[in-house]
Amino acid sequence: DTGVSQNPRHKITKRGQNVTFRCDPISEHNRLYWYRQTLGQGPEFLTYFQNEAQLEKSRLLSDRFSAERPKGSFSTLEIQRTEQGDSAMYLCASSEGGGNYGYTFGSGTRLTVV
Amino acid sequence: AQKVTQAQTEISVVEKEDVTLDCVYETRDTTYYLFWYKQPPSGELVFLIRRNSFDEQNEISGRYSWNFQKSTSSFNFTITASQVVDSAVYFCALESYNTDKLIFGTGTRLQVFP
Repeated sequence: DTGVSQNPRHKITKRGQNVTFRCDPISEHNRLYWYRQTLGQGPEFLTYFQNEAQLEKSRLLSDRFSAERPKGSFSTLEIQRTEQGDSAMYLCASSEGGGNYGYTFGSGTRLTVV
Repeated sequence: AQKVTQAQTEISVVEKEDVTLDCVYETRDTTYYLFWYKQPPSGELVFLIRRNSFDEQNEISGRYSWNFQKSTSSFNFTITASQVVDSAVYFCALESYNTDKLIFGTGTRLQVFP
């Protein structure tokens, strides 16, 4: 197992376009998390899944954001009608069971909206 | 409310110096987890340590050591004999039991010069 994999590593898009990111967690991990990190800040929680169920969404996740984990394996995060304020690093993490087990993070997808 | 404060924005040291990164947290919960992560320029978050709130034993791992003090709500991280490869942003994070959500500090950028 090579850890948590995120694609693409970098994405540059024009304002108003839609973008989709993919996260492949560690295979035996049933929990998957999305975080957003803006420049000079720590990561902020966006949402998480236990298997295919999305259990919590942050208020940071506006209507333009949607996340899925259709078969409880990989997950996608889509941003519709991107805005310059969406420019950030989007990090994915997976875990066997939350804090008691720890979290493994991917390398992130850096989004730049021009 | 839960909060993590890393008051040191940036620290610069010369190789072989010891350096301590401070972390102060706030939570009303009695059961929680504390973490330290390293974020090198490549962007991924590398797990360093996890502590639960009932385990106040200090820990040493090679050149790294951690001092957890519930009385002062602090979880400080010391690097002994720093090396250039230690240059990175270091994040402290808090998770209350069963919330499946990490609250990160704003990070401390450590630069180690040869």
